[in-house]
Amino acid sequence: EDQVTQSPEALRLQEGESSSLNCSYTVSGLRGLFWYRQDPGKGPEFLFTLYSAGEEKEKERLKATLTKKESFLHITAPKPEDSATYLCAVRSYGQNFVFGPGTRLSVLP
Amino acid sequence: GAGVSQSPSNKVTEKGKDVELRCDPISGHTALYWYRQSLGQGLEFLIYFQGNSAPDKSGLPSDRFSAERTGGSVSTLTIQRTQQEDSAVYLCASSPVEGGGGYTFGSGTRLTVV
Repeated sequence: EDQVTQSPEALRLQEGESSSLNCSYTVSGLRGLFWYRQDPGKGPEFLFTLYSAGEEKEKERLKATLTKKESFLHITAPKPEDSATYLCAVRSYGQNFVFGPGTRLSVLP
Repeated sequence: GAGVSQSPSNKVTEKGKDVELRCDPISGHTALYWYRQSLGQGLEFLIYFQGNSAPDKSGLPSDRFSAERTGGSVSTLTIQRTQQEDSAVYLCASSPVEGGGGYTFGSGTRLTVV
């Protein structure tokens, strides 16, 4: 059975303090790993898809990386508007998406 | 429309009543998903529609839950004889191809069963 865990559960950073969020996964053949951002009261917003180990994607202050067992979402010099819950999801062949519980990020000014 | 639209945005219902939640996906998106998100929990898969294929209902938690998708577009999730544990945010998402890339989610329907 596909499984996704995320750590930490919650993270508080000062503005400008870079850090990383972890997504660990177990799948029977990875078809894709996805990162989403979710703001309170809203649906998740798609950020990145990673397909194979070694792949990296960047968007503004965010950079996602992938290994065979985990993915990291690196946040460089975060701003208060980066505060949100970040969700990781995986899809294996023949299976629907499995989401992790998320990491709640708070960036203080 | 430009995004995935869900209605109502909030629904309060009495225990035992039936409710219908609506999802209007992005035009042309063939894949449509329903998820449930309980407070502090991850997204729980409910049901998946892809084109004219039979839906994947493997995530529906009980036979009180059902969903249909008419004309390959609008979808309705129905919960019969609601229970308090059904209280959650119900999210709908669509994508242009089956499993390819990320979904676009709606803002969800917050269901409260009292």
